[in-house]
Amino acid sequence: AQSVAQPEDQVNVAEGNPLTVKCTYSVSGNPYLFWYVQYPNRGLQFLLKYITGDNLVKGSYGFEAEFNKSQTSFHLKKPSALVSDSALYFCAVRDLRGGSYIPTFGRGTSLIVHP
Amino acid sequence: DAGVTQSPTHLIKTRGQQVTLRCSPKSGHDTVSWYQQALGQGPQFIFQYYEEEERQRGNFPDRFSGHQFPNYSSELNVNALLLGDSALYLCASSTSTGVGYTFGSGTRLTVV
Repeated sequence: AQSVAQPEDQVNVAEGNPLTVKCTYSVSGNPYLFWYVQYPNRGLQFLLKYITGDNLVKGSYGFEAEFNKSQTSFHLKKPSALVSDSALYFCAVRDLRGGSYIPTFGRGTSLIVHP
Repeated sequence: DAGVTQSPTHLIKTRGQQVTLRCSPKSGHDTVSWYQQALGQGPQFIFQYYEEEERQRGNFPDRFSGHQFPNYSSELNVNALLLGDSALYLCASSTSTGVGYTFGSGTRLTVV
């Protein structure tokens, strides 16, 4: 089965500084990878995805992610953090189970941006 | 273009009761997946419906069941509720190719 891991429970960054939220993956074949954001008591909002092509993927709200095959990583980045970016971030991989595509999530990383 | 709609947004049930949660998928999507998200954890896959059939199931007991209707909307039923069933229940819709998933805002279930 495909899986992703988010090694950090929490990331703290000052407003205006660059941020990175880490994700590593374990897949057979070519991975389909996603990042989602979740604000308190809300559902998951799609940020970006990697399917194929350019290793640098640009997404919503100024976020981007870099796919690195040699390091099996898909880290989420933003050049300048905003306080409003504070939320839970989930990395996910499209898993194939019994002929069905199932998104499988990491445990999440809490991003806290300090004013 | 409406996204994924879930109802109700919140509900409180007593142990042993039964609950039904509802989901309307995004227009153009024919596949619905349900997730349980306990506090402080990532979403855990419950099951997926396509063409009105359960296609795949996660590690959840038979107390969790579902249904998909011809218009692709779906229901999640949980019987004999336990305190541990308290969670945010998320519905995600997609096409059968699974290249993009749209989530609803979830239903917050509290079992007392």
